[in-house]
Amino acid sequence: EAGVAQSPRYKIIEKRQSVAFWCNPISGHATLYWYQQILGQGPKLLIQFQNNGVVDDSQLPKDRFSAERLKGVDSTLKIQPAKLEDSAVYLCASSLAASGVRLTGELFFGEGSRLTVL
Amino acid sequence: RKEVEQDPGPFNVPEGATVAFNCTYSNSASQSFFWYRQDCRKEPKLLMSVYSSGNEDGRFTAQLNRASQYISLLIRDSKLSDSATYLCVVNPLGAGGKLIFGQGTELSVKP
Repeated sequence: EAGVAQSPRYKIIEKRQSVAFWCNPISGHATLYWYQQILGQGPKLLIQFQNNGVVDDSQLPKDRFSAERLKGVDSTLKIQPAKLEDSAVYLCASSLAASGVRLTGELFFGEGSRLTVL
Repeated sequence: RKEVEQDPGPFNVPEGATVAFNCTYSNSASQSFFWYRQDCRKEPKLLMSVYSSGNEDGRFTAQLNRASQYISLLIRDSKLSDSATYLCVVNPLGAGGKLIFGQGTELSVKP
């Protein structure tokens, strides 16, 4: 079974530029998450989708970050304009259903997209 | 106060040692609890769930103390392959499938 796919794996940009990350979850997984992991810290939830609807985006810096999951399958996360403090690994994760996560705690993560902002 | 707080690391232990990690959470109504493992420059992966009665999976034992809002992970007979960062994870009440991660505790097992 194919895992969560993310691209690009690495991206280096200058501050004030824009960047977009793409995620394709495991087939059939209704719930999709974007996490930001800064070096030395745990993953921080940016946004959670259930199918193509947003469940939680309370920690998404909406002045510069946006995310969409138009057809309820793959998703993109965009940063515009980027700041130095956005340097991090952006992890996409998916699960069959949110209810399952509450019970099993199992999220399937992609390998992440590592962003460096200079 | 952070929602999930963990022991600062790194923990450096010899092979065969027993090591314990602690974690506290701020929301007393949190529903479920987990430990994840993250290898260097890799994605996090679920290690085990944490049940109120305590649970064991081989050399790993997880404990939950709801009264103290405290979670622990004990690793017995440490192996070199146990070297990783261990993340304490909480599902807050009413949060559906939202998981809150602690900052992680780094473990380095030496020969």
